[in-house]
Amino acid sequence: DGGITQSPKYLFRKEGQNVTLSCEQNLNHDAMYWYRQDPGQGLRLIYYSQIVNDFQKGDIAEGYSVSREKKESFPLTVTSAQKNPTAFYLCASSIDDRPFYEQYFGPGTRLTVT
Amino acid sequence: AQSVTQLDSQVPVFEEAPVELRCNYSSSVSVYLFWYVQYPNQGLQLLLKYLSGSTLVKGINGFEAEFNKSQTSFHLRKPSVHISDTAEYFCAVGVYSGGGADGLTFGKGTHLIIQP
Repeated sequence: DGGITQSPKYLFRKEGQNVTLSCEQNLNHDAMYWYRQDPGQGLRLIYYSQIVNDFQKGDIAEGYSVSREKKESFPLTVTSAQKNPTAFYLCASSIDDRPFYEQYFGPGTRLTVT
Repeated sequence: AQSVTQLDSQVPVFEEAPVELRCNYSSSVSVYLFWYVQYPNQGLQLLLKYLSGSTLVKGINGFEAEFNKSQTSFHLRKPSVHISDTAEYFCAVGVYSGGGADGLTFGKGTHLIIQP
């Protein structure tokens, strides 16, 4: 079955530690996205990638970093510079980044930092 | 830049009653419109989309939406809801200027609560 996997589902970290969230897709999609979801805030775009070895900042990129070394993978690192990292993180992909293509979402990772 | 407003953060409805979830957008160019559903602690799933053509769009699970260009709205409707429809619903708009994609902009979501 084609789809997007995110791991782990729940992640706990101490303040000051960097943490990397995994996102893998086997849909052969060029574009991939990372969103942050907070209660009542909807989805906010962190980073997106149109193609391998290329990515752009979204609306709230500060304190986050990404890489896109393979088409299938788009890991997100939450650094210690992110002031309020506790949130639900969603990864998505689409055929390419043109907005008439729907985005397919993974199941999400809930990160708690204490 | 485009924006999306979902007018209600919560909508309580009795089971088997009809429901309408409202979505308005602002954009100076042509738009593509989407409704997604999110069940608790899960990712988003596409309900339906409007790209062009007929303004009435039918989606999964008995949902439909109507694109109204003059009112810049894309309201989601279902004639009879079930307990299983309890979820968060997101409206999203995409804009393509030709010079580069601007991605999707999501509304803040509407929590649909079905009461028995």
